[in-house]
Amino acid sequence: GDSVTQMEGPVTLSEEACLTINCTYTATGYPSLFWYVQYPGEGLQLLLKATKADDKGSNKGFEATYRKETTSFHLEKGSVQVSDSAVYFCALHTGNQFYFGTGTSLTVIP
Amino acid sequence: DVKVTQSSRYLVKRTGEKVFLECVQDMDHENMFWYRQDPGLGLRLIYFSYDVKMKEKGDIPEGYSVSREKKERFSLILESASTNQTSMYLCASKGDTRWEKLFFGSGTQLSVL
Repeated sequence: GDSVTQMEGPVTLSEEACLTINCTYTATGYPSLFWYVQYPGEGLQLLLKATKADDKGSNKGFEATYRKETTSFHLEKGSVQVSDSAVYFCALHTGNQFYFGTGTSLTVIP
Repeated sequence: DVKVTQSSRYLVKRTGEKVFLECVQDMDHENMFWYRQDPGLGLRLIYFSYDVKMKEKGDIPEGYSVSREKKERFSLILESASTNQTSMYLCASKGDTRWEKLFFGSGTQLSVL
């Protein structure tokens, strides 16, 4: 069945370090792919999305490219900030269902 | 601002109690979802609804039921709460456009003692 596998956490980085959170997926058909972010005490909110192969989603300095050949959608940021500390979820949407990864907790220290 | 509102942020109940979790959205969305979030397991779909009075089971429906009498409101019911239902519950809604995102509520942290 459809599923998402993302990098286990937690991840701790110093401010201005580079971030990569790996995400791979298994899906039939042509899913759209999302990264959601959950800040402490809040629900999830959309960070970025890509709806077809080779699309790049970007927002707040984060980027992810929909790679059909490697079934991946890795999240990257060149220079993280303390305010990026949160839990990040990779998700795919197909049919009327969303499938979420287990989440990766990121802590950025000054 | 678009909103998905969950009625309680924190809830403490006793084993065997009947528990109602309420969710209201103001975006006229057709689709509504209930997830539970547990450490190391991510989000797991309990039930979803694509129209008033319609419901579909998700991946973990056992021990839960839902009600959608009005388009804007989707209720999750724990018929007889058990300790293994202690969790964070997240409600979400979505319109019918294919690429549209999910809008989430802030969550209800339920503790069953």
